Amino acid sequence: AQKVTQAQTEISVVEKEDVTLDCVYETRDTTYYLFWYKQPPSGELVFLIRRNSFDEQNEISGRYSWNFQKSTSSFNFTITASQVVDSAVYFCALSYTNAGKSTFGDGTTLTVKP
Amino acid sequence: NAGVMQNPRHLVRRRGQEARLRCSPMKGHSHVYWYRQLPEEGLKFMVYLQKENIIDESGMPKERFSAEFPKEGPSILRIQQVVRGDSAAYFCASSPKQTDTQYFGPGTRLTVL
Repeated sequence: AQKVTQAQTEISVVEKEDVTLDCVYETRDTTYYLFWYKQPPSGELVFLIRRNSFDEQNEISGRYSWNFQKSTSSFNFTITASQVVDSAVYFCALSYTNAGKSTFGDGTTLTVKP
Repeated sequence: NAGVMQNPRHLVRRRGQEARLRCSPMKGHSHVYWYRQLPEEGLKFMVYLQKENIIDESGMPKERFSAEFPKEGPSILRIQQVVRGDSAAYFCASSPKQTDTQYFGPGTRLTVL
């Protein structure tokens, strides 16, 4: 069975602060994918990143960065110099390479105050 | 390339009525997934379909819910005799292959009165 845990239900920061969203996963498979999605107040789901289990290189995209550590089964997401527009619910997800479906965490609601 | 389309965006039904939710995948995508998001919760997998085939329906409630993805036309998620507990956002996602990233539609918000 696979499981994704986002222990932080809500996080509130002031603009320009850095913030890290935690994601811990459980899986018995050695081959899998990890994802982060953003759900702004408008409700749609925006794909942010996909990482396969064989690639532990950290990734940076503008103000966003991701830290994947297989040893601790974690795939954490950091926003540097947060902005009000970053306010959203962020979901971490896991899928097996041969199963199609994704298992989502319960999400972390990030509020960035001006 | 248009994204995943879902309609209607909002649907209101009274208890006992039927709800039909439509999903048109992105062009070139033949894999469709349906997820349900209850209020204040994450997304829960319901069903995975390819053209004319149900691949995995392990997340579908045993009764009242069905899904199809015909050779022509959109994928349909059908809920018969809706109850208040069916009120949720229903998201459709598509991918070109099983192992590819799933891209989500805007969702259909179902409200059962």
